[in-house]
Amino acid sequence: RKEVEQDPGPFNVPEGATVAFNCTYSNSASQSFFWYRQDCRKEPKLLMSVYSSGNEDGRFTAQLNRASQYISLLIRDSKLSDSATYLCVVNESGTYKYIFGTGTRLKVLA
Amino acid sequence: EAQVTQNPRYLITVTGKKLTVTCSQNMNHEYMSWYRQDPGLGLRQIYYSMNVEVTDKGDVPEGYKVSRKEKRNFPLILESPSPNQTSLYFCASSLAQGYGYTFGSGTRLTVV
Repeated sequence: RKEVEQDPGPFNVPEGATVAFNCTYSNSASQSFFWYRQDCRKEPKLLMSVYSSGNEDGRFTAQLNRASQYISLLIRDSKLSDSATYLCVVNESGTYKYIFGTGTRLKVLA
Repeated sequence: EAQVTQNPRYLITVTGKKLTVTCSQNMNHEYMSWYRQDPGLGLRQIYYSMNVEVTDKGDVPEGYKVSRKEKRNFPLILESPSPNQTSLYFCASSLAQGYGYTFGSGTRLTVV
């Protein structure tokens, strides 16, 4: 089993739709969780950290489910500019090891 | 502007010719790391550094060297590049363990 797994997609959704991605992780000792956005051939950019209580930033909501070992990202009212690859990142507790998922590709269609 | 600067952006080289990719951050971050990104494999960690003169291997360190003589700089050295090191390389830094990364713009390396 991969340490961090994501559905590669692509998820093709119309503008205005709500879309959700999940990411599962295998190490129950994982401590910190993040979602990054990566545009084609560009560097990943931090979208949001994921806190135990869940957090929201505008149209984006992140949730953590420790019992089932997954994190999720919900995007409401999708925009064309949301088209990108979304990377899930997990940091193991007490280490400097950050493990990246291979990403979920989102295409928002006009 | 807070940033991580990598150079060069693009590099084509021949097998066996030593090269260095530079990385510098201006945010006084403790933690720096190098990743390579390959299709279908995602981002894989090569080396990381917790602070000056403290470095450790990531998941794919073979064929690479690093050094951290100053807090802001973390160069990646390929002593004898081979074609399987053709990849997109990213340098990243973060304030400390558990914080998110800031990435450089990437270096696309081709070894022929």
